[in-house]
Order: sequence, then C-alpha cells, then structure tokens
Amino acid sequence: DTGVSQNPRHKITKRGQNVTFRCDPISEHNRLYWYRQTLGQGPEFLTYFQNEAQLEKSRLLSDRFSAERPKGSFSTLEIQRTEQGDSAMYLCASSPPRQGPTYEQYFGPGTRLTVT
Amino acid sequence: AQKITQTQPGMFVQEKEAVTLDCTYDTSDQSYGLFWYKQPSSGEMIFLIYQGSYDEQNATEGRYSLNFQKARKSANLVISASQLGDSAMYFCAMREWETSGSRLTFGEGTQLTVNP
Repeated sequence: DTGVSQNPRHKITKRGQNVTFRCDPISEHNRLYWYRQTLGQGPEFLTYFQNEAQLEKSRLLSDRFSAERPKGSFSTLEIQRTEQGDSAMYLCASSPPRQGPTYEQYFGPGTRLTVT
Repeated sequence: AQKITQTQPGMFVQEKEAVTLDCTYDTSDQSYGLFWYKQPSSGEMIFLIYQGSYDEQNATEGRYSLNFQKARKSANLVISASQLGDSAMYFCAMREWETSGSRLTFGEGTQLTVNP
C-alpha cells in the first residue's frame, strides 16, 4: 500500500491554459475528496466522490473546474482557462467505507499549481 | 463566522517540553467530529488524532492528546515531550455530520517550531 498518489507534483502553466491533475486513492477506498490550499491557509473542500458518484460540490468549484471519477478508482480534476488566482496546492484524500470511529481522510502529497 | 479558529499563527517550544495548540469551533450540529492534522514542509497532511462529539473521554494517541471541552467548543491539541521532527504546520478540522456530510472544514493552522 503506497498511500494516495497525485500527479504531477508540480505544474507551471500560463494563464488561459487548461490543466488536469490525477489522484490515485488507496486501493479499496471508495470515498475520494479534492481540496485546495492557498499559501498560509488551511485546505478548502472542493468536491467529494463516493465510488463514481460526485455527491458534493463546493461553491468554490466554478464552471471552469470539473472533476471525474469514471470507474470509481482514480480521479481527475481539470481546470479550464486557468487564472492566476487558481495558483494553489490541490490536495486529494481518500477514505474507506465506514469502519471504526475516526473516518479519517488520508491525504496525498498534493499537486502545486503555479499560473503565470 | 469562522467554523474553526486557530488563534496562534506560530508557536515555539523547547525540545522535550509539552506544547498546547489551540482550536475553537462553531457548529449547531449535535453530531460532529474534530480532527488534528500535521503538515510538514513536504506538504502531505498527516492524520494525528480524532475526537467525536459524543466521546466522553479525551482522545489520546501516543504523545498526542486532545483536550476536548464541549461546552466551551474547544479542542486543543497537546503534544508531550516535543521532538525536533514535530516542527510543522498543524491544522484543526471539523466534520459536521448533519450539515456538511463528509467534507472537512479546516482552520488556518499553527506553525510549530521545536527548538533544540
């Protein structure tokens, strides 16, 4: 078990370009979350999948953002027409079906996006 | 109103001493969970400890304990016998089972520095 993995780890793009990030959750984790973290702040929730269904979306997830989890395994987060304000760390987390009291989310290393 | 408030942007502690990181929260849910995560400079969020709103005893995990005072809506993290490797950003987070489902709401964090 290698934990949650995210690719790429770093992405530099020019304003207006589209970018796509990938998250591979821990195997058998059916819940997957995306968060965004700007410098000096805590992570902010973006969206949540249970298996392939997208069950929650934050108001932060504008029309330029789309997330998918087509087969209930890995997920992608796409940002279209990037803006400088999109520069942030994008964190993915996963959690198993409800087991035990903690229900903690296991986070990946994040993808740092810089929009120039 | 902020749902999670961490009033200490930075804290310093001497190696081997104990330190308390403050967290207050705001919720109208009766059922909620409180989490502490550690984020080293590498960026990955590491789960430390969990406290459920109905748990009568304070949670403990090794050198970490959570001082849960429900009436005051506080959930302070106590790290005993600090180590140099404890230097990191620490985030308090909450899950509100009734109003926000699976998402975690994070505070702004406290940067802990352990001095030798």
